[in-house]
Amino acid sequence: QKEVEQDPGPLSVPEGAIVSLNCTYSNSAFQYFMWYRQYSRKGPELLMYTYSSGNKEDGRFTAQVDKSSKYISLFIRDSQPSDSATYLCAMRTGGSNYKLTFGKGTLLTVNP
Amino acid sequence: GAGVSQTPSNKVTEKGKYVELRCDPISGHTALYWYRQSLGQGPEFLIYFQGTGAADDSGLPNDRFFAVRPEGSVSTLKIQRTERGDSAVYLCASSLNRSRAGANVLTFGAGSRLTVL
Repeated sequence: QKEVEQDPGPLSVPEGAIVSLNCTYSNSAFQYFMWYRQYSRKGPELLMYTYSSGNKEDGRFTAQVDKSSKYISLFIRDSQPSDSATYLCAMRTGGSNYKLTFGKGTLLTVNP
Repeated sequence: GAGVSQTPSNKVTEKGKYVELRCDPISGHTALYWYRQSLGQGPEFLIYFQGTGAADDSGLPNDRFFAVRPEGSVSTLKIQRTERGDSAVYLCASSLNRSRAGANVLTFGAGSRLTVL
């Protein structure tokens, strides 16, 4: 079993839909949770950064962390064609602030 | 510079050859990282530099892989005797300050796509 599991999709939604992306993990030492967006032929770009359990909102994006279930989610409201990309969850322990463990990424397409 | 710059963007080589991939981090970023992203996978950690020294090279897959950062800025990832399984996108990232663990945000470059024939 990989430390971080993420459904690779692909996921296709109409413009304006609410998108839900999620990851599960097995390492209870993970404390910091991130979502990266990666456009084709580009590097990952940090979208959201959360510590421990709870919700964090930034514009149309909401990140949720449930440490008791080892489950994290990213919600995108009012999705736009420009949101079409691969979304990668990433996480790390408190003791290592550089070694990120990534999910496989979910390929999202938002259709106009 | 404005972002993390990686060269070449694409490299095609033959099995057994030697390759070098270069990373120019964001000016002032003391920490530098190399990750490898295989097709359909998330990035995997290779090595981390704090200044000139490799603080953690535990992700390097074998002794054919080596990285340097002689002046604490530009880094070069070196791969000897390349194999087809080395084909991947090699991503470099940098960050400002690792001392505040919660605030260590990595900025990635676009990557160097290596194809070994």
